[in-house]
Amino acid sequence: LAKTTQPISMDSYEGQEVNITCSHNNIATNDYITWYQQFPSQGPRFIIQGYKTKVTNEVASLFIPADRKSSTLSLPRVSLSDTAVYYCLVGARNTGGFKTIFGAGTRLFVKA
Amino acid sequence: GAGVSQSPRYKVAKRGQDVALRCDPISGHVSLFWYQQALGQGPEFLTYFQNEAQLDKSGLPSDRFFAERPEGSVSTLKIQRTQQEDSAVYLCASSLDGTGNQPQHFGDGTRLSIL
Repeated sequence: LAKTTQPISMDSYEGQEVNITCSHNNIATNDYITWYQQFPSQGPRFIIQGYKTKVTNEVASLFIPADRKSSTLSLPRVSLSDTAVYYCLVGARNTGGFKTIFGAGTRLFVKA
Repeated sequence: GAGVSQSPRYKVAKRGQDVALRCDPISGHVSLFWYQQALGQGPEFLTYFQNEAQLDKSGLPSDRFFAERPEGSVSTLKIQRTQQEDSAVYLCASSLDGTGNQPQHFGDGTRLSIL
């Protein structure tokens, strides 16, 4: 099963761009990379998902190099409300099932 | 409803009691996941259903934990003879299909406290 490694925490200021990198050296051919955001007392919320190259939606961009052994979540112009824990996941499909492995996540703290 | 709903939101039980936690997934979602999240940690996978079939229960910590999804929609996680180490937030998530590559939609969890 592919394990992910992320920085434990990051600090930023309002209006800055934040890039969080995740390592997943053992990613399998069929695995997608998915990022979630979690606020206290809430369940994780889907941010973005990709397989290769670059994906962009209304809230973030995801950059995946050709070897797919890492990925970078980019949050443009963060605000105080982006303070949360961000998880990088790599799908692990096993026989007949699907086991998801969350790491400890990256705690992003946005300051005024 | 539009999202995944979990009940109760909070549950307090005495050590040794049995508890049952309910998850209402998004209508039509094939896959359903249960996770356990300790304070300050990421969610830990417990079990996975595809429709009514429990295809992966490798994350259940002991035989005191039991999950079911008899009609392929609502799911219940049951914990028998609760212990203090069972105190955690239990999260449920559903996803559209069984490929494993669709995003998971999470409920806000049940916070279980064992006294």
